[in-house]
Amino acid sequence: ETGVTQTPRHLVMGMTNKKSLKCEQHLGHNAMYWYKQSAKKPLELMFVYSLEERVENNSVPSRFSPECPNSSHLFLHLHTLQPEDSALYLCASSQDPLGSRNEQFFGPGTRLTVL
Amino acid sequence: AQKITQTQPGMFVQEKEAVTLDCTYDTSDQSYGLFWYKQPSSGEMIFLIYQGSYDEQNATEGRYSLNFQKARKSANLVISASQLGDSAMYFCAMRGIGGASKIIFGSGTRLSIRP
Repeated sequence: ETGVTQTPRHLVMGMTNKKSLKCEQHLGHNAMYWYKQSAKKPLELMFVYSLEERVENNSVPSRFSPECPNSSHLFLHLHTLQPEDSALYLCASSQDPLGSRNEQFFGPGTRLTVL
Repeated sequence: AQKITQTQPGMFVQEKEAVTLDCTYDTSDQSYGLFWYKQPSSGEMIFLIYQGSYDEQNATEGRYSLNFQKARKSANLVISASQLGDSAMYFCAMRGIGGASKIIFGSGTRLSIRP
């Protein structure tokens, strides 16, 4: 595997379900990110982890719970979601989260539908 | 506050023609970085090109170039000799210094290449 991978690619869940999204980066990067992309809205940064510590939480509801067990893996645990949470969830990684360049490499995303 | 504006929601271009995608930004940071990403229908965001605010020359990467006009706060993407595979959403993004939460994305431009 190369780059950034995400599983599952598609997920349909009910509002009472609990599910997890997984992201893995094979680039040796130090930082990982979760983004939400809704229809007709700009990409929204949700969480940032740098060296396995959460450094940013952009006012995300508690029904989204991130976990970063090591620098290569990032999870997003989901519970009691709402239909408006349906979106494409993108994971990204970068080498240096504080550098001015810091280009991010994205995974293919998980298309989430909440019924 | 930082802001990215992409005023072209959609564009149609004939194959092999050059195309310019507009991006204007607003920031009070003296040092910042500007990015362009491509998002095909498959969903993943593909990094295209980067321009640092102190870079004196416009960035180029193959068929992509960035027309950086600092005084006008614009960072337009130019794609030369467009190809059918260039059909995708294109996002302009900006990062200031000192925090990943300052990465913001524009609303995107959908580019469609006609054969």
